[in-house]
Amino acid sequence: DIQMTQSPSTLSASVGDRVTITCRASQSISSWLAWYQQKPGKAPKLLIYKASSLESGVPSRFSGSGSGTEFTLTISSLQPDDFATYYCQQYNSYLTWTFGQGTKVEIK
Amino acid sequence: QVQLVESGGGLVKPGGSLRLSCAASGFTFSDYYMSWIRQAPGKGLEWVSYISSSSSYTNYADSVKGRFTISRDNAKNSLYLQMNSLRAEDTAVYYCAGEMATTRTMTPSWGQGTLVTVSS
Repeated sequence: DIQMTQSPSTLSASVGDRVTITCRASQSISSWLAWYQQKPGKAPKLLIYKASSLESGVPSRFSGSGSGTEFTLTISSLQPDDFATYYCQQYNSYLTWTFGQGTKVEIK
Repeated sequence: QVQLVESGGGLVKPGGSLRLSCAASGFTFSDYYMSWIRQAPGKGLEWVSYISSSSSYTNYADSVKGRFTISRDNAKNSLYLQMNSLRAEDTAVYYCAGEMATTRTMTPSWGQGTLVTVSS
């Protein structure tokens, strides 16, 4: 089974900061990676799919990159609405999804 | 727009059963593989089960294999999860989400989820 490891688990940042979250796969997943944002009490929201494709309606300050086993989610200038937990998800494996453990972005 | 609405959760005793439903609208349901994902209180996301667009193939996380059964009715745009032999560790909010079979894009939003509580 493919394992997904996110780092860091928690990140403290200020409004305006550039923020980078890393997700590593235990084996190559090509570009079959998605990123989600989740706020307390809410369902996850899709931000990025296929590693770097921005979902419609998502602000352009969010970007994704990577392929194979190493991926990053970057927020170019952190906004107050961005304080949330972020999850990566692999969907390379047929009939199986795997999520990372999550990265909580907190106010510094 | 894409809408997924989960229902069927509730309080059930250990060893009991529940059937969850997910009603889909705003997209061609039969074009999508569908999954159930759960989130235990204060924890991360855990994939539970997956079904292909025509129901030909299904898969389950080891934690639910042999106890849960996923199914779908494309005519009713609905996804189901039959949960038997429930355990305390199955307590979670259950969400449904999809992946388009051809383009491998995801449903952009999930439903609000349905809470399953397993407790005596």
